[in-house]
Amino acid sequence: DTAVSQTPKYLVTQMGNDKSIKCEQNLGHDTMYWYKQDSKKFLKIMFSYNNKELIINETVPNRFSPKSPDKAHLNLHINSLELGDSAVYFCASSQTGVANEKLFFGSGTQLSVL
Amino acid sequence: AQSVTQPDIHITVSEGASLELRCNYSYGATPYLFWYVQSPGQGLQLLLKYFSGDTLVQGIKGFEAEFKRSQSSFNLRKPSVHWSDAAEYFCAVGLADTGFQKLVFGTGTRLLVSP
Repeated sequence: DTAVSQTPKYLVTQMGNDKSIKCEQNLGHDTMYWYKQDSKKFLKIMFSYNNKELIINETVPNRFSPKSPDKAHLNLHINSLELGDSAVYFCASSQTGVANEKLFFGSGTQLSVL
Repeated sequence: AQSVTQPDIHITVSEGASLELRCNYSYGATPYLFWYVQSPGQGLQLLLKYFSGDTLVQGIKGFEAEFKRSQSSFNLRKPSVHWSDAAEYFCAVGLADTGFQKLVFGTGTRLLVSP
């Protein structure tokens, strides 16, 4: 069983489109995250949710809207896609969200905006 | 601002040789420090972490890291590298933002293993 699964694995789309990435964790964790990895492999946090509540919003454009229907799911919807949104997006989870906890990462969604 | 520096973009090591990957951090308090590994096409996997106690921490796959406060460093080591260790390695600082974790990553070091 995959602990943190995200779909799709690859997403190719045109500029201006709206797309969603889904993430689910079966670890019973309270906290989930979205991280973005750019073409230079640099990883940066975008959002974190704890028990469906938004905790961290790291100055991400309003075009990005995370949604957590329950604590096992954290989806990412992106409106009006731009070329600069091309990246690999990683979902992750941790038990409670405290600073010294291990994160469990999904295998990533490679988004290519043409 | 808090930051993590990995000065080596890529390193090539012969199989069986020892390895040291460098990591320096900038943070006011005692940091929570992590090393993650990313294999091609995969997510990140935790190798080890430090937040208190013994400054030499052991991790999975035979890796260890040493926290040196005086040098603001947390270098990753392995005595004998295997071909399967070829991957991207990320050092990170765990910050307690609003009481919850925010990882600040270094730019990564790509490890190449030669036969």
